[in-house]
Amino acid sequence: SQWGEENLQALSIQEGEDVTMNCSYKTYTTVVQWYRQKSGKGPAQLILIRSNEREKRSGRLRATLDTSSQSSSLSITGTLATDTAVYFCATDSSGSWQLIFGSGTQLTVMP
Amino acid sequence: AQTIHQWPVAEIKAVGSPLSLGCTIKGKSSPNLYWYWQATGGTLQQLFYSITVGQVESVVQLNLSASRPKDDQFILSTEKLLLSHSGFYLCAWSLWASSYEQYFGPGTRLTVL
Repeated sequence: SQWGEENLQALSIQEGEDVTMNCSYKTYTTVVQWYRQKSGKGPAQLILIRSNEREKRSGRLRATLDTSSQSSSLSITGTLATDTAVYFCATDSSGSWQLIFGSGTQLTVMP
Repeated sequence: AQTIHQWPVAEIKAVGSPLSLGCTIKGKSSPNLYWYWQATGGTLQQLFYSITVGQVESVVQLNLSASRPKDDQFILSTEKLLLSHSGFYLCAWSLWASSYEQYFGPGTRLTVL
């Protein structure tokens, strides 16, 4: 498996709180992508961070990448109830055509 | 604007019966196409990818096959369904290799009884 530690977890927080989700991967990747999947829907990309970047921001989202420890994180500030979803990280298996998804984090934001 | 359509929305099928799921992308010429499978509560597993008409590569073996008969169409099928085929099937497209954003369709929920 491309993925190291199991990143499947469930987080439940109150609206307005900040949250950070983590994942680690085993082999070299050119990018890490973070996707969000709402219940019964297809995933949608939130942010993409390349191997030569340490941090990427987009609105309330912040992604980090540490290639030395082969880990990435996604932070959401000021969460909203509409942020409730499963969040996946994904790597490209060294630039191949295969996108490999981690186990995901179920985030529930309570209003 | 590009749109991705999957059909059917949901299927309930018997073990041993055939299956055909479809995916159409409109508004994008020569996209890269992908099929994914997702067990309930699980992660996404890429099954197939195609970078051109008539050419499909398998990523994992799950007794499924895929075809790309037209530039904008991707078909997933099997002649004999197994219980383990139950799940959520997602079609996706991208402009370039998987190192770039993939755009997912709404999915097809398959229940095999």
